[in-house]
Amino acid sequence: KNQVEQSPQSLIILEGKNCTLQCNYTVSPFSNLRWYKQDTGRGPVSLTIMTFSENTKSNGRYTATLDADTKQSSLHITASQLSDSASYICVVSKRNQFYFGTGTSLTVIP
Amino acid sequence: DAMVIQNPRYQVTQFGKPVTLSCSQTLNHNVMYWYQQKSSQAPKLLFHYYDKDFNNEADTPDNFQSRRPNTSFCFLDIRSPGLGDAAMYLCATSRDAETDTQYFGPGTRLTVL
Repeated sequence: KNQVEQSPQSLIILEGKNCTLQCNYTVSPFSNLRWYKQDTGRGPVSLTIMTFSENTKSNGRYTATLDADTKQSSLHITASQLSDSASYICVVSKRNQFYFGTGTSLTVIP
Repeated sequence: DAMVIQNPRYQVTQFGKPVTLSCSQTLNHNVMYWYQQKSSQAPKLLFHYYDKDFNNEADTPDNFQSRRPNTSFCFLDIRSPGLGDAAMYLCATSRDAETDTQYFGPGTRLTVL
């Protein structure tokens, strides 16, 4: 069964600290792995997209890594800001199918 | 500049009363998607169009229909909304289904009374 699992389900960190979100998947083979940020009441916004042959992709303070052997991806946020408070969703695509994780809810507090 | 536009942002309808949600895009993308997202859950794909080719997910209820009259517009019709259909409905586009980033609209929050 094709599944995407994210951990932790929720996370609270202090402003300025770093954090890492995890995504484990069983989708195989896959085309791309995407990380999205979704603010409350808004549509998801793409942060990174990686093919199965890429190991890392950065977008400002966001860095995604991919280990296709262990079927794991992580999203690292550096020097967190209050505006980083959102849900972060991992999506794995295979042909025309998109498999969504349930997301990690991140809260950044002053 | 808005690239994927959804109207209305908030829609209230009565149980059983048909409702149509609209999505338009300025990106000239080939693919348009409709997702349903309930509170604290991941978005669930309902269907997508690759150009004019309609692709329905196997578990999308018959109550949900879609139309794409041209490249720019796509509509979601809910023929007889039930209380369980209350959710955020997200429209997304991508240039290609597999390799490209999906661009999401802001969503339409549907309330069923």
